[in-house]
Amino acid sequence: AQTVTQSQPEMSVQEAETVTLSCTYDTSESNYYLFWYKQPPSRQMILVIRQEAYKQQNATENRFSVNFQKAAKSFSLKISDSQLGDTAMYFCAFMKHVINDMRFGAGTRLTVKP
Amino acid sequence: DSGVTQTPKHLITATGQRVTLRCSPRSGDLSVYWYQQSLDQGLQFLIHYYNGEERAKGNILERFSAQQFPDLHSELNLSSLELGDSALYFCASKVTGGDTDTQYFGPGTRLTVL
Repeated sequence: AQTVTQSQPEMSVQEAETVTLSCTYDTSESNYYLFWYKQPPSRQMILVIRQEAYKQQNATENRFSVNFQKAAKSFSLKISDSQLGDTAMYFCAFMKHVINDMRFGAGTRLTVKP
Repeated sequence: DSGVTQTPKHLITATGQRVTLRCSPRSGDLSVYWYQQSLDQGLQFLIHYYNGEERAKGNILERFSAQQFPDLHSELNLSSLELGDSALYFCASKVTGGDTDTQYFGPGTRLTVL
């Protein structure tokens, strides 16, 4: 079974600074997808960024980027120029290529301080 | 706005009762996934439907059932409710094709069992 581990229950960062959230996963699959979702106080689940395992290039979406290390089964999220609106729970998720149920980590609560 | 709709937003009911949660996927999405988010269990996959057929089951209790209708909307039925069923229930629909295999979440239904 696939497991996703987020070892940082809570983190904080100053506005405009950079922060990195960690995620590791365990799988025997070779083809899969990884995601970061953001859950603000509204509780809506919002896609932040996705990475296909077969792609070596790290995904980037504006201020958000990932460091995908397939051999180490690591998938960290870097948020640059942090903004107050980035305050939220962040969930790392794993999805197999064929059977698409997603497995989520326990989440990291990020607080951006002014 | 993800394009996935869920009704109702909030539901308060008593133990032993039965409720139905409804989800309409994004236009064109054939897959619907149901997830439960509770304080003690985190985000867990319940069930996946594709074009009316059940495709995968996760940690779904026997008291819970789901179906997807010809118009592709889905319903999650929860019966003999217990206090521990209080949670946020999400549905997600999936964009499929190319490298955009991504689930987009609805706003959730908050169920409170008293």
